[in-house]
Formats: sequence, structure tokens, C-alpha cells
Amino acid sequence: QKEVEQNSGPLSVPEGAIASLNCTYSDRGSQSFFWYRQYSGKSPELIMFIYSNGDKEDGRFTAQLNKASQYVSLLIRDSQPSDSATYLCAVNDYKLSFGAGTTVTVRA
Amino acid sequence: EPEVTQTPSHQVTQMGQEVILRCVPISNHLYFYWYRQILGQKVEFLVSFYNNEISEKSEIFDDQFSVERPDGSNFTLKIRSTKLEDSAMYFCASTRANTGELFFGEGSRLTVL
Repeated sequence: QKEVEQNSGPLSVPEGAIASLNCTYSDRGSQSFFWYRQYSGKSPELIMFIYSNGDKEDGRFTAQLNKASQYVSLLIRDSQPSDSATYLCAVNDYKLSFGAGTTVTVRA
Repeated sequence: EPEVTQTPSHQVTQMGQEVILRCVPISNHLYFYWYRQILGQKVEFLVSFYNNEISEKSEIFDDQFSVERPDGSNFTLKIRSTKLEDSAMYFCASTRANTGELFFGEGSRLTVL
């Protein structure tokens, strides 16, 4: 069973600040990594994915991957109250294995 | 925008009863999945389905579970004899290629009494 570990939070940040979320994974052979957002009572929705070491930016979101350290992170810049949700890290090995998620609260 | 649809949104059943959860994946998608999420816990993989057969299943997906694609559009999850611990939100998901970019339905909440 491939393990994906996240700090459960909650992570509370003021509006406009940067939220930083971390994730580690157990299988060194994993190749593709995903961040999903899940609002309370709703289904997961894809935010972004990353395959290569380094940073990948998409709007206010930046994913960072370090395969040597088996570490993936997500930065949310200029956090908005609408970003308040649980963020799920996932690793793909022909199926997605999810972490438990980090709950983010953005304070207005 | 195309979406994955699931029915019912909520089902309450007695322990030991059979339940069928239905999903209509996005029409040009080829890979289909069922996940479940027990309240307050993580999203767990149950089964993946491609080319009319199961491609992978988890330890959770025991003999009480089955999946079927009875026609060109529906994808169903059957639980033969429900247990209390089957109470969860069940998510169907689909994707065009097996890349991890899944589109999830809104989920079916199953409550077993």
C-alpha cells in the first residue's frame, strides 16, 4: 500500500497570505503527483498536477516536487476565503492514492 | 461542461440489504473508478475498470462488492449484503487516459442502519 502523508491541520491563514501545504510519499518510484481540493460535503476536484522536479505554477497555485526527498508541496498565494477547503495530495500508480488531507481556513 | 453524475445522492438501507449505486461517467472517458470516504477519513480507492473489466481493486473491494458497466453509459457499484461499516460517501470518477486527472461525481451517501 503506497502511503501518502499530510499534516491534517487545520492551517489557518489571514486573507492575502501564503498558505503552504506539505505532503510526503513512500514509494520512491512514484512518477506523478496531484493536488485536489475538497470543499466540505463535496467531491474532490483537481487543482493541478506535477511530474518533474521543481516548481510548477498555475495562477495563484504553485506545486513543488522533490523526488529525492519524496516531498510535494502546494503554495496558495494571496489566499482568499473561497480557498477554505481540505487539500488532498495524491500519487498516481494506475490509481490515485490520497493522503488524509490538510484543512485550510482563510480568515477574512 | 460534461460531468460525472451519480444516483442516488443519499440512500438509507438496513444491514444485510443489497445496494446498487449508479454512475454515468463522462461520455468519451475510458477509465472508471469507485472511491469511498468514511466520514472524517481519507478518500480510499475501491476499484478501477477499463475495457469492460476490473483493472485493479483494493483490499476493501471484497466478494461483497461488484461493478458492472451494463450498457454504454452506466457504471454501477453493487454491495450484496451491506454492513454498518459500509456507511460512507461513495464517489465515482472517470478519466480519458489513466493519468490521475480524475473527474469525480458528487457522490452517493450510503447510510447502513
